[in-house]
Amino acid sequence: EIVLTQSPGTLSLSPGERATLSCRASQSVTSTYLAWYQQKPGQAPRLLIYGAFSRAAGIPDRFSGSGSGTDFTLTISRLEPEDFAVYYCQQYGSSPATFGPGTKVDIK
Amino acid sequence: QLQLQESGPGLVKPSETLSLSCTVSGGSISSGYYWGWIRQPPGKGLEWIGSIFYSGTTTSYNPSLKSRVTISVDPSKNHFSLKLSSVTAADTAIYYCARPAAGTLGWFDPWGQGTLVTVSS
Repeated sequence: EIVLTQSPGTLSLSPGERATLSCRASQSVTSTYLAWYQQKPGQAPRLLIYGAFSRAAGIPDRFSGSGSGTDFTLTISRLEPEDFAVYYCQQYGSSPATFGPGTKVDIK
Repeated sequence: QLQLQESGPGLVKPSETLSLSCTVSGGSISSGYYWGWIRQPPGKGLEWIGSIFYSGTTTSYNPSLKSRVTISVDPSKNHFSLKLSSVTAADTAIYYCARPAAGTLGWFDPWGQGTLVTVSS
């Protein structure tokens, strides 16, 4: 199975700053089949990005995804107060679908 | 707007079978999609359990759980179900139902709110 590694484990930033989250796969992800989710305490994950760079419906354009092969990035251009949360990447190019361990973005 | 809602016992004894249902509202479960289950141990990451086609003709399970998992669908009730046998404390988790967007895998959207299942005697 494809193992996803996310870095950093925790990112401490201030509102208005830029956040860059990394997701690295143990082997190449088929056809950029990678998604990103945001999860807040007590809530289910919310889809942000699919296909490595396509924003899901209703997701603000401050969220962007990039990458291919084994290296992917989620960028939040200017952090809003509601963006402080845990972010997970997920690959769905090969079975089983797998998730990364998450990056927590907290307030500095 | 499509919504999913999990239901089932919040406490299961070790060695018994965990049974959960996911009711789909705002749309038909027979709309041509797959439907899936994902779990998250408290404070930990996400694990895909498996997915089923709306007709029930195709299922796909995570190899790590395959020997203990059964996912089924009941179109007449617009719901699908999860059974996990021989549970241990390691199966304690929040269980989510979700719709994979493309085939048995795909990105997952939408998600149910999740239900906590604790395995304990």
